[in-house]
Amino acid sequence: KQEVTQIPAALSVPEGENLVLNCSFTDSAIYNLQWFRQDPGKGLTSLLLIQSSQREQTSGRLNASLDKSSGRSTLYIAASQPGDSATYLCAVTGGSGGSNYKLTFGKGTLLTVNP
Amino acid sequence: GAVVSQHPSRVICKSGTSVKIECRSLDFQATTMFWYRQFPKQSLMLMATSNEGSKATYEQGVEKDKFLINHASLTLSTLTVTSAHPEDSSFYICSATILGLAGAYTDTQYFGPGTRLTVL
Repeated sequence: KQEVTQIPAALSVPEGENLVLNCSFTDSAIYNLQWFRQDPGKGLTSLLLIQSSQREQTSGRLNASLDKSSGRSTLYIAASQPGDSATYLCAVTGGSGGSNYKLTFGKGTLLTVNP
Repeated sequence: GAVVSQHPSRVICKSGTSVKIECRSLDFQATTMFWYRQFPKQSLMLMATSNEGSKATYEQGVEKDKFLINHASLTLSTLTVTSAHPEDSSFYICSATILGLAGAYTDTQYFGPGTRLTVL
């Protein structure tokens, strides 16, 4: 059974700092990996999707890397802003016996960026 | 584009009543919709996968007779929580994948804003 772990559970940083969020998964036979943002009491916004054949994806100040063989991904946020404060979720699809559409989520990292 | 809506956003009901939650894809056709549940400080957990015109596929441990799913069209799926109890209080989120021009779907799931259910 695929399990996704995110470290740290919470992170508080001053504005302007670069930061890294970590995600690990137990079954490396994934189809893809996504990073989402969730604001309090809200739905999810997809930030980046990395296919299993890719090593990284970039969007603006965000960069996500994938090391499939070691079961790890990182989300790098450059020059953090208070508006980046949210919970960041990592999710994978696939895995042995899993479908290409079933997302398995981590518990998330609660990020607070202080002005 | 690719907007998914849910209605209602919040609902409070008495124990024993049934609650229906709607999930709509507003500007695209969705072959498949997914229903998730999220308890406080926990991961989103997939409850069921819903395909238009066919029966939903439920994840292990999810009671299909309690959580009724209907996917009557390519833009609407409903989740009915029957005989709700306080332990069903949770945040329910749906997502949808896009049916493309060639009949294939994209990898991205687009999520609705969620429905907060509180059962008294």
